[in-house]
Amino acid sequence: EPEVTQTPSHQVTQMGQEVILRCVPISNHLYFYWYRQILGQKVEFLVSFYNNEISEKSEIFDDQFSVERPDGSNFTLKIRSTKLEDSAMYFCASSEEVPGSQPQHFGDGTRLSIL
Amino acid sequence: QKEVEQNSGPLSVPEGAIASLNCTYSDRGSQSFFWYRQYSGKSPELIMFIYSNGDKEDGRFTAQLNKASQYVSLLIRDSQPSDSATYLCAVNTGGFKTIFGAGTRLFVKA
Repeated sequence: EPEVTQTPSHQVTQMGQEVILRCVPISNHLYFYWYRQILGQKVEFLVSFYNNEISEKSEIFDDQFSVERPDGSNFTLKIRSTKLEDSAMYFCASSEEVPGSQPQHFGDGTRLSIL
Repeated sequence: QKEVEQNSGPLSVPEGAIASLNCTYSDRGSQSFFWYRQYSGKSPELIMFIYSNGDKEDGRFTAQLNKASQYVSLLIRDSQPSDSATYLCAVNTGGFKTIFGAGTRLFVKA
């Protein structure tokens, strides 16, 4: 069964540095998402991406964050000037249709640790 | 603020019993409802999705939706110790954003 793949599985970064989290969505999927889950808390929507542009973003997704689909397969989340509170699991997801009509499938996540 | 509420649990049931997990949502315009299972340290795994009022069955799992009451539930029949996990209710209100509840921890005792 096709999977969403994320790399790296664990990223450790010094506070203030930039990180790029990478995702390869399922190949025939058109809608891509990033979510965050702080330890012990709920899964939080960050951003959705369709047709090479952001389709919706949450209030968490401020100027510190950006997303990009640099080629036909990768989908990246960049976090600039990382803060301690950015430490969390970051999940990439994709869906074939809009999320109201098709469920999203999640990757295994990247655990981001900011020191 | 659109909310999805779940009882945090833990819900403890004996092996072979029916586990009933509940979820309420605040946005009456919500259209799509999803149940995910999340093991500790792992990613959410889709269990069921439902769009219409009523019941939807898939193997040991049944999702129930009542839009008038803004209520969605998940029944797990013949619960197994491997079902022990956190169950996340997720709701889409028609846009690109899906809102997750905090999850209910289920513990199935062997």
